[in-house]
Amino acid sequence: SQQGEEDPQALSIQEGENATMNCSYKTSINNLQWYRQNSGRGLVHLILIRSNEREKHSGRLRVTLDTSKKSSSLLITASRAADTASYFCALGGSNYKLTFGKGTLLTVNP
Amino acid sequence: GAGVSQSPSNKVTEKGKDVELRCDPISGHTALYWYRQRLGQGLEFLIYFQGNSAPDKSGLPSDRFSAERTGESVSTLTIQRTQQEDSAVYLCASSRVLAGVRGETQYFGPGTRLLVL
Repeated sequence: SQQGEEDPQALSIQEGENATMNCSYKTSINNLQWYRQNSGRGLVHLILIRSNEREKHSGRLRVTLDTSKKSSSLLITASRAADTASYFCALGGSNYKLTFGKGTLLTVNP
Repeated sequence: GAGVSQSPSNKVTEKGKDVELRCDPISGHTALYWYRQRLGQGLEFLIYFQGNSAPDKSGLPSDRFSAERTGESVSTLTIQRTQQEDSAVYLCASSRVLAGVRGETQYFGPGTRLLVL
């Protein structure tokens, strides 16, 4: 099954700045989810966007999906040191699995 | 329960020994997934269970790996004759129903960090 590819692999910003991460994929999807992982432990679901949606918001998070370009972006506005984590996109395709990318490591410097 | 729990948190074992990892899903969640995450890598799907249906074992890397789940409760992942390349974090996740195409959220446990010496 396909895997999403996050870009960049690592991102370092200052507190208060916005962080943008991208996820590209190759075949059609039903939905795309973003998860956060702190310190190599369990993942926490952030937001889900379905293939017929173009944009969703949740607090300081904004997700876009462009199915024609097969890409999604996650924007975190007004970042905080606590946002430091790895962020993964997960693809929901035609089966019952979620396929995770390798993640973007975000570091927010105070 | 309040969330997905896994035990042990950490496990150090010697090459060739068998290990058993445990996952307690959220009560009422019919679907349970196991993943492996090597250092600095993404999540590698191992197996999923849905209720009493036959599990999808397509991600198990070798016949040394097996998993069981009784009904909609606890699951155990067993690795026999461990090898050094088995060293990784093993993550369990549960969801109300199967995820993927259904767009269900997966709720993850904290993982078991396995180190094979």
